Amino acid sequence: DGGITQSPKYLFRKEGQNVTLSCEQNLNHDAMYWYRQDPGQGLRLIYYSQIVNDFQKGDIAEGYSVSREKKESFPLTVTSAQKNPTAFYLCASTTTGARYNEQFFGPGTRLTVL
Amino acid sequence: SQQGEEDPQALSIQEGENATMNCSYKTSINNLQWYRQNSGRGLVHLILIRSNEREKHSGRLRVTLDTSKKSSSLLITASRAADTASYFCATGPNSGNTPLVFGKGTRLSVIA
Repeated sequence: DGGITQSPKYLFRKEGQNVTLSCEQNLNHDAMYWYRQDPGQGLRLIYYSQIVNDFQKGDIAEGYSVSREKKESFPLTVTSAQKNPTAFYLCASTTTGARYNEQFFGPGTRLTVL
Repeated sequence: SQQGEEDPQALSIQEGENATMNCSYKTSINNLQWYRQNSGRGLVHLILIRSNEREKHSGRLRVTLDTSKKSSSLLITASRAADTASYFCATGPNSGNTPLVFGKGTRLSVIA
């Protein structure tokens, strides 16, 4: 089955620790995205990547870092510099070159800082 | 930046009734999309309407787009308890490679 996977589903972090959230897709999509969702809120864009070895900051990139070494993978690191990291994190992907950007989403990772 | 603003923020209806959600946006768009999110899950794409289209149907879903008013509506007919979810509009900018911009969503509760 084609799709996007995120792991882990739940993640607990102590203050001061960095954690990495995994996102993998086998849809052969060029573009991948990371969003943060807080309770009762919409999606805010953290980082996105349109091609391997390239990525751009979104609206709330501070305290986060990403890499895009492979087309299939776009891991997100939540660093200790992120002051309020408890949230639901969603990864998405889409084809580039297409004029209409329907996005496919993973199931999400819920991060809780203890 | 969140461009789409859904209205109402929350909606509660009886099973069998129709549900209407609205979305307003600020800048010119290439397309507008609606997504659904069940609690604690990822978003699922429902329907896309292009800027040169005025209405589109998919099963029990009907979407309209009024670019002069910069607004869209999503109608779910004959709602079911399984339609209970949050619904988000997302606007696609005129450039093909820039990200979608999502609104804050409407929480729909369908009571059996």
